[in-house]
Amino acid sequence: AQKVTQAQTEISVVEKEDVTLDCVYETRDTTYYLFWYKQPPSGELVFLIRRNSFDEQNEISGRYSWNFQKSTSSFNFTITASQVVDSAVYFCALSAIIQGAQKLVFGQGTRLTINP
Amino acid sequence: GAGVSQSPSNKVTEKGKDVELRCDPISGHTALYWYRQRLGQGLEFLIYFQGNSAPDKSGLPSDRFSAERTGESVSTLTIQRTQQEDSAVYLCASRRPGGREQYFGPGTRLTVT
Repeated sequence: AQKVTQAQTEISVVEKEDVTLDCVYETRDTTYYLFWYKQPPSGELVFLIRRNSFDEQNEISGRYSWNFQKSTSSFNFTITASQVVDSAVYFCALSAIIQGAQKLVFGQGTRLTINP
Repeated sequence: GAGVSQSPSNKVTEKGKDVELRCDPISGHTALYWYRQRLGQGLEFLIYFQGNSAPDKSGLPSDRFSAERTGESVSTLTIQRTQQEDSAVYLCASRRPGGREQYFGPGTRLTVT
């Protein structure tokens, strides 16, 4: 079965602090894709990053970085020097072939609040 | 280019009425998905269209829910005899051929009173 777990339901930090959002996944597929999406208060999901299962190289994009570890089935997301505009719900997702169709399996999301 | 658009943005309806939600995918995107997001919850897959293939309806919660798509363009999600538990945000996403990431629309917030 395909499953994504985001154990942190809510996180609240003060601006400029670093924060890490955890994501653990389960899949029997040998090839799969992992994603992070941001859902700001406006509601629209914004694609942040995609990672292929065969590429464990970590990625950094500005204040954002992602740590993919196949050994622990984790794909964690770190925001450095957080800002109020980072406040949103963040979803981790796994792309899986389920009954012949490519689908995204989402975690329950982590609500991140950055306080000024 | 334009992103995924959905209409209406908000819909309030009385219990028992039918509603129709619309999704315009990104031009050229052959795959189209509908999801439901209840308040404070994650996304729940409803239905998936891929080109001219038969849709994957495995996520539809009941026979009151149906969806159509004309070719590779607009899709409509219809909920008949709405119930209060249908209240949620309905999100549409599209994906280009060979792509992996889905691009989401702003959603339709449905409130059943």
